[in-house]
This record gives sequence, C-alpha cells and structure tokens, in this order.
Amino acid sequence: TQLLEQSPQFLSIQEGENLTVYCNSSSVFSSLQWYRQEPGEGPVLLVTVVTGGEVKKLKRLTFQFGDARKDSSLHITAAQPGDTGLYLCAGVRRDTGNQFYFGTGTSLTVIP
Amino acid sequence: EAQVTQNPRYLITVTGKKLTVTCSQNMNHEYMSWYRQDPGLGLRQIYYSMNVEVTDKGDVPEGYKVSRKEKRNFPLILESPSPNQTSLYFCASSLGQGMTDTQYFGPGTRLTVL
Repeated sequence: TQLLEQSPQFLSIQEGENLTVYCNSSSVFSSLQWYRQEPGEGPVLLVTVVTGGEVKKLKRLTFQFGDARKDSSLHITAAQPGDTGLYLCAGVRRDTGNQFYFGTGTSLTVIP
Repeated sequence: EAQVTQNPRYLITVTGKKLTVTCSQNMNHEYMSWYRQDPGLGLRQIYYSMNVEVTDKGDVPEGYKVSRKEKRNFPLILESPSPNQTSLYFCASSLGQGMTDTQYFGPGTRLTVL
C-alpha cells in the first residue's frame, strides 16, 4: 500500500471540462507538492503547499492542502490538451523528515 | 544550463550482471535521491543522500547500492540485477531537504533485466 493514494488513476475528458484529482494519506505531511510528468521526461514541480487549509492558484490550476495536512487536491478549470500528462503528488512526512514520498499518480488525457 | 544528467538512458542487461547508472548535477545541490517508477505505483524512493558521504535507505532499497563521494555525483549500483528490477529510474536533486525544496529530475533511465 502506497503512503499517498491518488484518485482517479486515469482520467480522460473533453477540452473545456473541469476536473479534480485527489491525493490522500493516513499520515500527516509537513508539506505536499504537485508535479507533472510528460512522456519520456522527469517530473516537474507545479506547486508546494505548506499550511493546512492553504489554497494556491496557478492560472487554471487550483491546489488545496487539507486542514489536517493529510490530503490535497488539484482542480483544473477548462482543461486544455496541453494539460495532458501524469500528475503526481509528493511530500515530506512530518515524522520522517528526510524521506520523500510520491503518490500513485493520475494520468490525465484531454481530448481536443 | 542547470540540469541533472543520467547515463545511460536505456539499458538492457541479463540477470546477475553488475551495472551502474550514473547521475550528476551541476547546481551544487546537497540532497540527491534515486527513484524507480512502475505503473500504478508512482515513484518510489530507493536511496537518498543528504550530503557527501551521507546516504540513507528510502522505501525500496533492496538490491541497490549508492555512494556519494562527491557532491555532484550519485551513482546507483545494481550488484546482481534481477528481472524485478526492470523499471524506469530517475535521479533527482534539490538544494536541501526542506519541506519547500524543489526536486529537479533527470531524464530517466529505462532498465530491462532479462
């Protein structure tokens, strides 16, 4: 069982639709990050959330850190084909500060 | 250009034949780590290093070794590869292991063990 579970695992939507990806854990995290990975490349950081309840916006992407610091969500408004990719949450657990954990990943396809 | 490089990008080998995957970063980062990526499992940390001569096990260290003799290099060694180590491997580095540090990833090494 992975420490960070993401849902859904796969998502295929039409251009212009909205979507939400969830990242859940039973553990408390000091911070959570969201990365996006394109085929043949390594993950690239999108955002870091640090404070429980924090909301950050990056253009059409909205990221939220749960109040209890155990979960996070990524909401995309009016998805575009360029949003296609693998989305990964990741974080540093509060009680094991040096080890980095990644989520199981959500593969998003936006159809033109 | 700031980057993390890995070599080789692709490798096909046979069970038991020792191999090394190199990783180098030019950003003077202290923290480096190795991950493997398998479908449905995301990335799992194999080993990480907080600084020169300081390494520690991640989630899935069995069958792997690492060393950190220089700050810029962090090779991954498979002494006796087995088919279950067939995977996509990523090296990453960050300035530190603070909770807001960005990890920069290499392009990946696709390893197949026959």
